[in-house]
Amino acid sequence: GQQLNQSPQSMFIQEGEDVSMNCTSSSIFNTWLWYKQEPGEGPVLLIALYKAGELTSNGRLTAQFGITRKDSFLNISASIPSDVGIYFCAGLYAGNNRKLIWGLGTSLAVNP
Amino acid sequence: GAGVSQSPSNKVTEKGKDVELRCDPISGHTALYWYRQRLGQGLEFLIYFQGNSAPDKSGLPSDRFSAERTGESVSTLTIQRTQQEDSAVYLCASSLTIGSGVEAFFGQGTRLTVV
Repeated sequence: GQQLNQSPQSMFIQEGEDVSMNCTSSSIFNTWLWYKQEPGEGPVLLIALYKAGELTSNGRLTAQFGITRKDSFLNISASIPSDVGIYFCAGLYAGNNRKLIWGLGTSLAVNP
Repeated sequence: GAGVSQSPSNKVTEKGKDVELRCDPISGHTALYWYRQRLGQGLEFLIYFQGNSAPDKSGLPSDRFSAERTGESVSTLTIQRTQQEDSAVYLCASSLTIGSGVEAFFGQGTRLTVV
């Protein structure tokens, strides 16, 4: 089935550093969503993107819907320890506009 | 409640027993998803319900797994003759899937341990 390629798989950074992660697909997507999952919890929606080229911020988080509609990026600026968790991308692609497709996640660790 | 509710939060069962997991979606959400997440892994799609349409069962790993949902209400995921490899967190999510409301909202999951 359709899959999203999410990278990097894991990151270990120092507090204060900026972080960048991305998702790519061989197919065109209509919607991109970014989630964060903390230990023992379900994923929580961070940012939703609906238009190619769209750039949306949520505090220190910024996500972009790639102009080709085949990729999306999530950036975290000035990381803090509570940014620790697994970040997932998800999307709806043109071939099946009702079921979300998920990346495998980026695990982020922040060293205080 | 305001969010997606799953029960039980934890379940320990003996190998070979059947288990039933419950999900209460957000009121008015037409779509409901079940996922399995093994320790340290990503989300593994199991099944998707959309309104009264036939469910997408393409992710169910074996015929021991089944799920039901009546209309836009509660869903149950049943695992028969559980095996140790079934141990995981089972997550449920719901979404509107109307216009731009495709964002999925998750419950806290049911942690299943098969001993």
